[in-house]
Amino acid sequence: DIQMTQSPSSLSASVGDRVSITCRASQSVGDYLNWYQHKPGSVPKLLIYSGSSLPGGVPSRFSGSGSGTDFTLTISGLQPEDFATYYCQQSYSSPFTFGPGTKTDI
Amino acid sequence: QVQLQQWGAGLLKPSETLSLTCGVYGGSLISYDWWTWIRQTPGRGLEWIGQINYSGLTNYNPSLKSRITMSVDTSKSQFSLKLTSVTAADTALYFCARMSTTVTPSASFDPWGPGTLVTVSS
Repeated sequence: DIQMTQSPSSLSASVGDRVSITCRASQSVGDYLNWYQHKPGSVPKLLIYSGSSLPGGVPSRFSGSGSGTDFTLTISGLQPEDFATYYCQQSYSSPFTFGPGTKTDI
Repeated sequence: QVQLQQWGAGLLKPSETLSLTCGVYGGSLISYDWWTWIRQTPGRGLEWIGQINYSGLTNYNPSLKSRITMSVDTSKSQFSLKLTSVTAADTALYFCARMSTTVTPSASFDPWGPGTLVTVSS
């Protein structure tokens, strides 16, 4: 199985901050890397696909980069609604696996 | 726009069988997509359980494979999960989701169902 790790596991930030979350795969996943945002009581939301592409409706302050084994999610100008847990996930090979999550709070 | 709704028993006793169903609305279950089950626990985070396509082809997580059965009913636009011999370790929030390789080349999970909390307790 491909193991996914994330750092940091949690972070505290303020509105307006630029934050970056790193995701690392135990072997190359190409660009089969997705990011999700999950808020308590809500459904996980696709944030980034193919490492760096934004689905429609996702604000441009979210960006993704990387390929192979190392990926980064960046939020430029954190907004109050962005405080959530962020997960990376690989779809390169089954079983498809998620990172442990990065929880952001104020 | 595809939406998923899910239902099933939320309280089980050890050794019973978990049974959940997910309905596909606003789109066709008959597609190139994979219809997926994912669960979330505080200890193990998000765990991919497995998936099925419209023709009944399945792909299961090896860690659960011996206890899982997935099925699809195209006439009702539904797909289902059965997990046998549950224990407290199967207590989790279970989600259904679509895995699409046509909407997103990286085969992401989108959308997700609302989730069903399943508790296993004697």
